[in-house]
Amino acid sequence: KQEVTQIPAALSVPEGENLVLNCSFTDSAIYNLQWFRQDPGKGLTSLLLIQSSQREQTSGRLNASLDKSSGRSTLYIAASQPGDSATYLCAVIRTGNQFYFGTGTSLTVIP
Amino acid sequence: KAGVTQTPRYLIKTRGQQVTLSCSPISGHRSVSWYQQTPGQGLQFLFEYFSETQRNKGNFPGRFSGRQFSNSRSEMNVSTLELGDSALYLCASSLDRGPRETQYFGPGTRLLVL
Repeated sequence: KQEVTQIPAALSVPEGENLVLNCSFTDSAIYNLQWFRQDPGKGLTSLLLIQSSQREQTSGRLNASLDKSSGRSTLYIAASQPGDSATYLCAVIRTGNQFYFGTGTSLTVIP
Repeated sequence: KAGVTQTPRYLIKTRGQQVTLSCSPISGHRSVSWYQQTPGQGLQFLFEYFSETQRNKGNFPGRFSGRQFSNSRSEMNVSTLELGDSALYLCASSLDRGPRETQYFGPGTRLLVL
């Protein structure tokens, strides 16, 4: 059974700092890995999708990497802003559209 | 283009009742997946529908069921509600089923079972 873990569970940083969120998974037989953000009481917003053949994806201040062999992914956020405050979830995608989600990292960026 | 919509947004039911939640995918999307989110278990996959057929199912009891209509809209039904069914139910749609497809999530339906 695929298990996805995110560390840390919560993170608080001052505005402007660069930060890294971690995601680890137990079964490396995955198709893709996707990072999402979730604002309180809201649905999920897709941030980055990394296909299994790729090692990283970038979008603006966000960079996500994938190392299938070690079962790890990281989400790097540069120059953090208060608007980045949210819960960040990684999801491992196996056959079809079956997603396995991590437990999430709650990020607070302090102005 | 309108995003994924879910109705109702909030719902209060009592134990033993049943409930039906609705999800309208993004226009043109054919795959709809359902997830349950609770503080204790996080986000868990319920099932996926594509072209009116259930393609994947998570590890939930038979009280949880769903269907998809020809216009790709989907409904999820939970019968004989239990307190533990209180959760945020999220629906996601994607254009197709391939692993390269990005899923787009709706705002969710928050269900409270008393």
